[in-house]
Amino acid sequence: EPEVTQTPSHQVTQMGQEVILRCVPISNHLYFYWYRQILGQKVEFLVSFYNNEISEKSEIFDDQFSVERPDGSNFTLKIRSTKLEDSAMYFCASRGNRHFLEAFFGQGTRLTVV
Amino acid sequence: ELKVEQNPLFLSMQEGKNYTIYCNYSTTSDRLYWYRQDPGKSLESLFVLLSNGAVKQEGRLMASLDTKARLSTLHITAAVHDLSATYFCATSGSRLTFGEGTQLTVNP
Repeated sequence: EPEVTQTPSHQVTQMGQEVILRCVPISNHLYFYWYRQILGQKVEFLVSFYNNEISEKSEIFDDQFSVERPDGSNFTLKIRSTKLEDSAMYFCASRGNRHFLEAFFGQGTRLTVV
Repeated sequence: ELKVEQNPLFLSMQEGKNYTIYCNYSTTSDRLYWYRQDPGKSLESLFVLLSNGAVKQEGRLMASLDTKARLSTLHITAAVHDLSATYFCATSGSRLTFGEGTQLTVNP
């Protein structure tokens, strides 16, 4: 069964360092998303991406964040200078098309900023 | 701003009992989702509800949607320990907006 895969599963980084979280969406999907979940809290939308550009972003997604689809398969989230409060689980999700109902989530990357 | 509120946030119940989780949302939405999350794990899609009056059932879980009341419910029948998890509802426009989650613990 097709699935969204994320790497790494756990990333520990020092405050101020750059991190890149990687996602491989389901191969024929067109819409891609990043969400984050701070421990014990709800899932928050960060950004959506369609047709090689950002279609929507939340207020959390400031200039420290960027997304890229460098090739036909990967979808990455970069945090330029990590802060302690960036520690969270980051989920990638993908959806087939505008009318395709379900968003499928990857297993997540746990980011710990120390 | 779209708001999604769930209650209760914490639910401890005994095996064999029934209970309902409520999800209220603030503005019109064309779809309502229910997800399950086990500790440290990803979000597993349970139900997608598309229209007013929609009802879907899978095993001991049944979800319903009342778009006029902007309310969805997740009903648990004869709970078993394996249902222990956090349950999220989410509405969808261009993106998913999640509720705070209901942490369900089913005790023997």
